[in-house]
This record gives sequence, C-alpha cells and structure tokens, in this order.
Amino acid sequence: SQQGEEDPQALSIQEGENATMNCSYKTSINNLQWYRQNSGRGLVHLILIRSNEREKHSGRLRVTLDTSKKSSSLLITASRAADTASYFCATDAGWRGSTLGRLYFGRGTQLTVWP
Amino acid sequence: GAGVSQTPSNKVTEKGKYVELRCDPISGHTALYWYRQSLGQGPEFLIYFQGTGAADDSGLPNDRFFAVRPEGSVSTLKIQRTERGDSAVYLCASSPGLNNEQFFGPGTRLTVL
Repeated sequence: SQQGEEDPQALSIQEGENATMNCSYKTSINNLQWYRQNSGRGLVHLILIRSNEREKHSGRLRVTLDTSKKSSSLLITASRAADTASYFCATDAGWRGSTLGRLYFGRGTQLTVWP
Repeated sequence: GAGVSQTPSNKVTEKGKYVELRCDPISGHTALYWYRQSLGQGPEFLIYFQGTGAADDSGLPNDRFFAVRPEGSVSTLKIQRTERGDSAVYLCASSPGLNNEQFFGPGTRLTVL
C-alpha cells in the first residue's frame, strides 16, 4: 500500500521558472525523503528531512515539512530542462504506523521543463 | 565510490520459468532493500535485509518470491514459475543503517511473455 500522495500528478513549466511539488501522508513519520527518477529506472536520492526539521536546502532544492498538516513540499528554483523527471516522496511509515526499514512511495509527480 | 549495481539490466523470460535477479550494494552498507515498480506507480516494498537475515519480508507477494543475502553483501531475488503479472522493474537499494537515505540501483526490467 502507498502512503504518500504527490500533487500535482503532472507539472509542465518553462526553463527558469520555479517548480513546486507537494506530498501528503496519513500517519506519523520519522523522516521523509524525496527522490528523482528518469525514464522509469533508478531513483536518485535528493533530500531526507527528519520529523523534527522544518526546512532543508540542497543547491536549487528546498524541502519543507509540516508534521501538523502531514505534508511536505519540494521546490526547485530556476528549473532547467535537465530537471525533467518523475519526483517521488517516500515516508518511513505506512497507514499502520512506523515500520523500520521500508519506504512507502507515492505515485510521483511528472515534471516537464521546456527549453 | 561505486553505487548500487544490479544485473541483468533487462530480463525477458517465458511464463512459468525461473529467474534470478542480482544486487550488489554499496560497500559497507548493512541494510539492503528490494522494491518492485510497475508502470505509472511508485516503488513498492518487497523485502529488506539487515546483514544476512531478512528483517522484513512482508512485502513479498506470494511464496514464488524468495530472496537471499548469504554473506551480508550481494543479494539475489528469486522468482519461481513466473507469471505475466510479475513484469515490472525490480529495484534494489542499500543504506548504512535504518532511518537513513536509501541509495538505489538502476533496476532490472523483467518482462514475462
């Protein structure tokens, strides 16, 4: 079963614009991770944010976490055509609560950045 | 250093056949995970190992699926009597421990005809 849900399912923007993707989940978590996937193959880890953190940055990426709303957002600033990919959030807890080890993924947001 | 590697990258087999998928984790990572991803979906958990033992195999869909990690490093996912519904990308990941980032391999695309 999947825990997180990304919104929107698809996002299309021009190069230079900012892209914001959201993730909502249902149960308490220890951490939340964002991944990027190109062409349906391996996932690239972007950022891990722990439940006691509210915001993290990595280059052009900014992730926020609101545990009271059970939601997270991923912001990509000054997007590039190379950012075109699917983006997934993953939590360490499913609908039955925290489960060590496994990650629960949403269906992802397909981001397309036009040159 | 080297990332997670998986072999083969593609596997085409016939219904009813047996397949083995291999995963080489990042050196020193004690935790190893297997996920399965169908088209248009996010990865779904299958099993994870802490060292040599399967700490959680509750994601395996049925007893046709089995995985081993005999020396606490390389892992093999084994699927018996394959069915067309087993067609998917099988992803392996490793991490230095629990509640850490998981680093994924490129996946094996399994097609059952």
